[in-house]
Amino acid sequence: AQSVSQHNHHVILSEAASLELGCNYSYGGTVNLFWYVQYPGQHLQLLLKYFSGDPLVKGIKGFEAEFIKSKFSFNLRKPSVQWSDTAEYFCAVSSSGGSYIPTFGRGTSLIVHP
Amino acid sequence: KAGVTQTPRYLIKTRGQQVTLSCSPISGHRSVSWYQQTPGQGLQFLFEYFSETQRNKGNFPGRFSGRQFSNSRSEMNVSTLELGDSALYLCASSLGGGVSTDTQYFGPGTRLTVL
Repeated sequence: AQSVSQHNHHVILSEAASLELGCNYSYGGTVNLFWYVQYPGQHLQLLLKYFSGDPLVKGIKGFEAEFIKSKFSFNLRKPSVQWSDTAEYFCAVSSSGGSYIPTFGRGTSLIVHP
Repeated sequence: KAGVTQTPRYLIKTRGQQVTLSCSPISGHRSVSWYQQTPGQGLQFLFEYFSETQRNKGNFPGRFSGRQFSNSRSEMNVSTLELGDSALYLCASSLGGGVSTDTQYFGPGTRLTVL
């Protein structure tokens, strides 16, 4: 069965700091990868997704993620965070091994201090 | 365009009762998925409906069921409620390509408390 690990449960940064949130998954076959974000008081929404092609994926609001197949990772990055990036971030994976049912990580709570 | 709407937003039930939650997708979206979110288990996929048929199902007991109507609106039912069913139930809609690829648009959720 596929599983997803987000190692950072809580991250606190100051504005302008760089961000990298880790996401590792367990399945070695074909995978589709997602990052979702939930801002305070808002609905869960898609930040970016990867299916194939260029392993560096760019999403909304300046976020990007890199798929590294050999490391089973799909880390989320942003070079300079803003206070408005304070939110909960979820990594998700769907794979042929999991019947393409999405499996979510437990989430990372990011707080950005102004 | 109006977003995904879920009713009711909050619900309190007692053990043994049954509950029905409703989801109205974004206009034009034909796929509706349901998720359960709890502090202990995180966000877990329940099932997906497309064209009134269940297309995918997560690892939940048969007490959890759903259906989709011809207008793509969906309902989720939980019978014989248990304390552990207390959760935020999220609905998401997408155009119809499937939960593994489509961008899903989430609703605000229904907060179910089982006493």
